[in-house]
Amino acid sequence: GAGVSQSPSNKVTEKGKDVELRCDPISGHTALYWYRQSLGQGLEFLIYFQGNSAPDKSGLPSDRFSAERTGGSVSTLTIQRTQQEDSAVYLCASSSSVSGSEQFFGPGTRLTVL
Amino acid sequence: EDQVTQSPEALRLQEGESSSLNCSYTVSGLRGLFWYRQDPGKGPEFLFTLYSAGEEKEKERLKATLTKKESFLHITAPKPEDSATYLCAVEIYNQGGKLIFGQGTELSVKP
Repeated sequence: GAGVSQSPSNKVTEKGKDVELRCDPISGHTALYWYRQSLGQGLEFLIYFQGNSAPDKSGLPSDRFSAERTGGSVSTLTIQRTQQEDSAVYLCASSSSVSGSEQFFGPGTRLTVL
Repeated sequence: EDQVTQSPEALRLQEGESSSLNCSYTVSGLRGLFWYRQDPGKGPEFLFTLYSAGEEKEKERLKATLTKKESFLHITAPKPEDSATYLCAVEIYNQGGKLIFGQGTELSVKP
C-alpha cells in the first residue's frame, strides 16, 4: 500500500517568506509526527497529532512555526518569516496508534532558505 | 535529561566483516527502543522495536538486542548494500509516542 508522502520534495525560498509543507500519512493512521533533521543536529521532534488534536507542541522552535491536521489525515507545517537557520529536512511520520507503535517516515522536504 | 548516544559515529567494514553498533540511553522511563536505517536523501526506514531488557530481534544479517542501559545492532557478514546510516531512538512513557533520536552511525561496507 501507499506509504507516507510529503510535498514538495525540495523548497528553496528567500529569507522572510512563508512556506507550507504538506504530509499525507498512511491511510488509517491516527498519529502523525513532524521532525526536523539538520546537519549536526540529528532528528528533532517538532509536534505530534492524535487525530486532529496536537497534545504536544513542545518541539516547535518558535512561534513562527505552526501545524494543523484536518480530517484526521493530511497535515500542513507552516513556517512564517523564514530564517536561514530554518534550513533543514522536514520529516513526517505516521503510526497506527500513539505510543508503542513503530512510526513510518515519509521521504522528507528539503527546505533551503537563502 | 533524556539522552541517546550512538557510537561509533562512523564505521567502515570490509564485506563479510561482522561488527556491532552501540546505542546507550539515559531516560526517565523507557517505553520502547527503535532502530531505523536511513539511506541518503530518504526518510528513515523502520527495522526493529525492542521493549524490555533481554529482548532480541533479527532480520536477515541484522540482530538487535536490549539491556537496561543500551542496545546493540549486530551486523553479521555485511554486504555493500548494508551501507547506510543507522539511527536509534527511544520512546518515553506518557510522552505521546514522540521519539528521541541519537546522532546515528554511518556504516560503509566495502566489497
